[in-house]
Amino acid sequence: EAGVAQSPRYKIIEKRQSVAFWCNPISGHATLYWYQQILGQGPKLLIQFQNNGVVDDSQLPKDRFSAERLKGVDSTLKIQPAKLEDSAVYLCASTNLLEAVNEQFFGPGTRLTVL
Amino acid sequence: GENVEQHPSTLSVQEGDSAVIKCTYSDSASNYFPWYKQELGKRPQLIIDIRSNVGEKKDQRIAVTLNKTAKHFSLHITETQPEDSAVYFCAASGDSGYALNFGKGTSLLVTP
Repeated sequence: EAGVAQSPRYKIIEKRQSVAFWCNPISGHATLYWYQQILGQGPKLLIQFQNNGVVDDSQLPKDRFSAERLKGVDSTLKIQPAKLEDSAVYLCASTNLLEAVNEQFFGPGTRLTVL
Repeated sequence: GENVEQHPSTLSVQEGDSAVIKCTYSDSASNYFPWYKQELGKRPQLIIDIRSNVGEKKDQRIAVTLNKTAKHFSLHITETQPEDSAVYFCAASGDSGYALNFGKGTSLLVTP
C-alpha cells in the first residue's frame, strides 16, 4: 500500500514569510496528525484530525499556525508569519482506528528552514 | 499532560553486544507504548509496541518490557548489528490512536 505522502520535502523561507505544507494520508485512514520535530528532539503533536474534525490542537500556536482537512482526506498546515524557531521537520502521520493494531504511519516530512 | 523521559541520549556498543534504552512516563492513564526507529533523514518507523496489559513483548532481536507500577518501559536489542545504528524514540499515549508523546530520543551507534 502507498504510504503517507508529504510535499514539499524541503522549504527555505525568510522570517515573517508564509509557508504551507501538504499531506496525503494512507487511503482509508480517518485519523491524521501533524507533528513538529525540532533537531535533536522527538516529534511533538501540533494537531490531530478525525476525518475533517479537530480532535486535539492544544499545542498548536494558533496565532501563527493553522491547519485544515476540509474533505477528511488531504490536509494542509500553514505558518503565517514564520519565526526562526519554526525551523524543524514537519511530520504528518495517519492511522486507521478500526484496525486491531493502530500503528501511526509517518510521512517523510517537510524540512523547513527559516532564515 | 504526559511527560516522557528517555535515557541515555547517546549509546555506543560493539557489534554483537546488547543495547538497552529506558523511558519513564508521568501519566498513569497511559496505556500504549510504541518504540520508533529513525534513520538519518528518514521517517520514524514503528519497531515494536506494548500495551499496559502486557509486561513483555519480543520480536526476534528486540524486546520491550513495561512496569506500570513504576511507570517505566525499556527497549532491549540483542546481538546488535551496524544497521541497528539510528535514533530510537519511545512514546506513550492513552491508547493507540491517541496522539503520541515522544521522548527526546537515543542515538545508538553500533561499531563493527
